Amino acid sequence: QSALTQPASVSGSPGQSITISCTGTSSDVGGYNHVSWYQQHPGEAPKLMIYDVTNRPSGVSNRFSGSKSGNTASLTISGLQAEDEADYYCTSYTSSDTWVFGGGTKVTAL
Amino acid sequence: EVQLVESGGGLVQPGGSLRLSCAASGFTFKSYWMHWVRQVPGQGLVWLSRINSDGSITNYADSVKGRFTISRDNAKNTLYLQMNSLGAEDTALYYCAREMGTNNYWGQGTLVTVSS
Repeated sequence: QSALTQPASVSGSPGQSITISCTGTSSDVGGYNHVSWYQQHPGEAPKLMIYDVTNRPSGVSNRFSGSKSGNTASLTISGLQAEDEADYYCTSYTSSDTWVFGGGTKVTAL
Repeated sequence: EVQLVESGGGLVQPGGSLRLSCAASGFTFKSYWMHWVRQVPGQGLVWLSRINSDGSITNYADSVKGRFTISRDNAKNTLYLQMNSLGAEDTALYYCAREMGTNNYWGQGTLVTVSS
């Protein structure tokens, strides 16, 4: 049950697009379409941004989108805004009937 | 309004036990899978365990298997996590969560500190 691999940090200028990667194996990310992305601001609980690789919950901005290729899932934030500064975590269902998180990515709007 | 309220955290000595509770309201608790996730302050999220809607299926991360037990009381709309043989590495904020994908919702967490 190794953690999924995410970059420690990603930054971009306001208005730009950024992409966060989440790399696993064929036993988790590559094997299932149950990949979710969460946003967490300091001192707050995580908030679901994307589920089942590409789906956005009601109320989440369409500037957030998800995709997957092989063992790597990605979260793209278009038109980066200051309010998007937060930690982002991916998670995937696994072949062991468990879930596993990525290590988290800190997003900074320069 | 959906609410998940964790309780039961606190200071416990190494080797001790603690039972966390998560009181659910605002939704049909008995219809959802529930999860426990923890986070060391300043570090990342770690999935611990899940239980299905009627409590007949449970799964655990290797790091807590054999030490932690997840359970639920659908009549009381409450999720539990029994934690035994606690060590310093178990010090964290513990969250309960409804589902991991669609219909996901999180509580605010309860802090567990393992120290002598």
